[in-house]
Amino acid sequence: QQQVKQSPQSLIVQKGGIPIINCAYENTAFDYFPWYQQFPGKGPALLIAIRPDVSEKKEGRFTISFNKSAKQFSLHIMDSQPGDSATYFCAASMTSGSRLTFGEGTQLTVNP
Amino acid sequence: EPEVTQTPSHQVTQMGQEVILRCVPISNHLYFYWYRQILGQKVEFLVSFYNNEISEKSEIFDDQFSVERPDGSNFTLKIRSTKLEDSAMYFCASSQGSGTDTQYFGPGTRLTVL
Repeated sequence: QQQVKQSPQSLIVQKGGIPIINCAYENTAFDYFPWYQQFPGKGPALLIAIRPDVSEKKEGRFTISFNKSAKQFSLHIMDSQPGDSATYFCAASMTSGSRLTFGEGTQLTVNP
Repeated sequence: EPEVTQTPSHQVTQMGQEVILRCVPISNHLYFYWYRQILGQKVEFLVSFYNNEISEKSEIFDDQFSVERPDGSNFTLKIRSTKLEDSAMYFCASSQGSGTDTQYFGPGTRLTVL
């Protein structure tokens, strides 16, 4: 019930494409959903986050779409660039807790 | 920009040996965490620490693991008797508050148990 499922495992797009990464959760007590970006040799870094009271959040080229009834959320990267090539993790947590529960990660490659 | 630092970047040890992984969290942060990532698998929560005590721990964090904040800046993870399956990347993180406050991650320590 604590799991967060993420897909796809890897994704290759051309520059300018719109990669979409999907996550699904089971625990309805989760109320905070961040996305982390990780470059090789670095720790995960917060990219964007959403709470379940909104269905979409946009920051720059990154957008989270959230479907509370389906218990799913996704990350869209508009006008993707080679510099966006990284591993992306979705995560979930509870306001009352402290642990982040991560998805399996998606390795994104944006070709020039 | 302040960042979480971790040492060493890579630790190789023999099975059964004790290891201590060190972290310096961001200076005004009050909550500290350890996560691990076994190669090819997801990042997993181990433990959170606040006010000099464990606030939450996962099933992975058994009696072989301990955490300590020995002084005002360091936060350590000790594994008493390492097993082969402890080989992983260990990430330290810190945050100002709990709940939905952003957790800032260090670059990780790669632990290899032979």
